[in-house]
Amino acid sequence: GQQLNQSPQSMFIQEGEDVSMNCTSSSIFNTWLWYKQEPGEGPVLLIALYKAGELTSNGRLTAQFGITRKDSFLNISASIPSDVGIYFCAGQRNTDKLIFGTGTRLQVFP
Amino acid sequence: DAMVIQNPRYQVTQFGKPVTLSCSQTLNHNVMYWYQQKSSQAPKLLFHYYDKDFNNEADTPDNFQSRRPNTSFCFLDIRSPGLGDAAMYLCATSRATLGYSNQPQHFGDGTRLSIL
Repeated sequence: GQQLNQSPQSMFIQEGEDVSMNCTSSSIFNTWLWYKQEPGEGPVLLIALYKAGELTSNGRLTAQFGITRKDSFLNISASIPSDVGIYFCAGQRNTDKLIFGTGTRLQVFP
Repeated sequence: DAMVIQNPRYQVTQFGKPVTLSCSQTLNHNVMYWYQQKSSQAPKLLFHYYDKDFNNEADTPDNFQSRRPNTSFCFLDIRSPGLGDAAMYLCATSRATLGYSNQPQHFGDGTRLSIL
């Protein structure tokens, strides 16, 4: 099935560093979602974006809906060890199914 | 407070022995989804119920079936599990208005299925 290009595939960073990841598509979406998944658990919704250009924050997390509607970005500021996990973007058109990104695995070292 | 609850969290079954996974929700969402997820890959949609209407993905094997007896519960039945069906199975729910938009999907913690 279709997947979105998500990068980087993995990140190994030190506690306190900022993190950036992005998701790109060849087609437009009208909703972008960012999920975090920890080992043995289901994905947890972090941020939902509904308008091109929208910038939304959730604590240390900030996500943006790209102007072209074909991409989205997630930033994590001042990372902490509990930020460890796999981050998935997902795009959606109207009531269509979610199209997931390939995931970014984040590892934070103290 | 878990709002999408999957049972059991871990399930072991024998090759070819039918197995049923369950999902319940307290969100009163009208759409329920079943996903299969393998080793750090993205979740793969198997099928979903929009209210009582069943929607199968084209590439979902016939071995996978689903039942939704009421708004709160949904079941995934695997009729004859093969070794390739070992995976995490995720249930998700959302509120949708037909032809308009979906609210974001909320996932349960999954059932990890092992096949002996």
